[in-house]
Amino acid sequence: ETGVTQSPTHLIKTRGQQVTLRCSSQSGHNTVSWYQQALGQGPQFIFQYYREEENGRGNFPPRFSGLQFPNYSSELNVNALELDDSALYLCASSFEWGSTDTQYFGPGTRLTVL
Amino acid sequence: AQKVTQAQTEISVVEKEDVTLDCVYETRDTTYYLFWYKQPPSGELVFLIRRNSFDEQNEISGRYSWNFQKSTSSFNFTITASQVVDSAVYFCALSEGTGNQFYFGTGTSLTVIP
Repeated sequence: ETGVTQSPTHLIKTRGQQVTLRCSSQSGHNTVSWYQQALGQGPQFIFQYYREEENGRGNFPPRFSGLQFPNYSSELNVNALELDDSALYLCASSFEWGSTDTQYFGPGTRLTVL
Repeated sequence: AQKVTQAQTEISVVEKEDVTLDCVYETRDTTYYLFWYKQPPSGELVFLIRRNSFDEQNEISGRYSWNFQKSTSSFNFTITASQVVDSAVYFCALSEGTGNQFYFGTGTSLTVIP
């Protein structure tokens, strides 16, 4: 058990809709990172938040956005969903800023876009 | 260019056999970190090991061992006396001291046959 939880477990949306995925980090972990994992692939970095501010972004368009709250919870929002957004979305929490610290992952949210 | 390469897509072994999962990485940073994660069918990435670039000592943890060789940019993972519970997808990941993301390989799917 990593202490990182995500909700919902599964989600089905249609193209063009918007979705919000939620993550609760380990208590005391100031950093949350979000990853997209397509079927059969490794996780791809979306962005990272440190103490409620975005701290780096991967190669994802602006319709992917996030928020981090003081209570160690965070959100990933995706607007104008596309079929290719179907994937497992993983959040990971860590204590330190950046990527030098071990990241502990939640169970993921599986998003299907029809 | 792919920063982490896991050339073995799928491996099948019979229970009690030893198996080695290969990982080759690429970075220009002198400070970096290497990780192995296990992803069972449930989807959650389970942390196995973290190694920094200045520590080339091999590590053993029960049936698991890791061989880090900077000369060949490899960080291989061996499971001794494999068990059915070891069946999962294993990911190698790299983080660079100057960055804020993990770079994952494409994973190796290990099936242990009873």
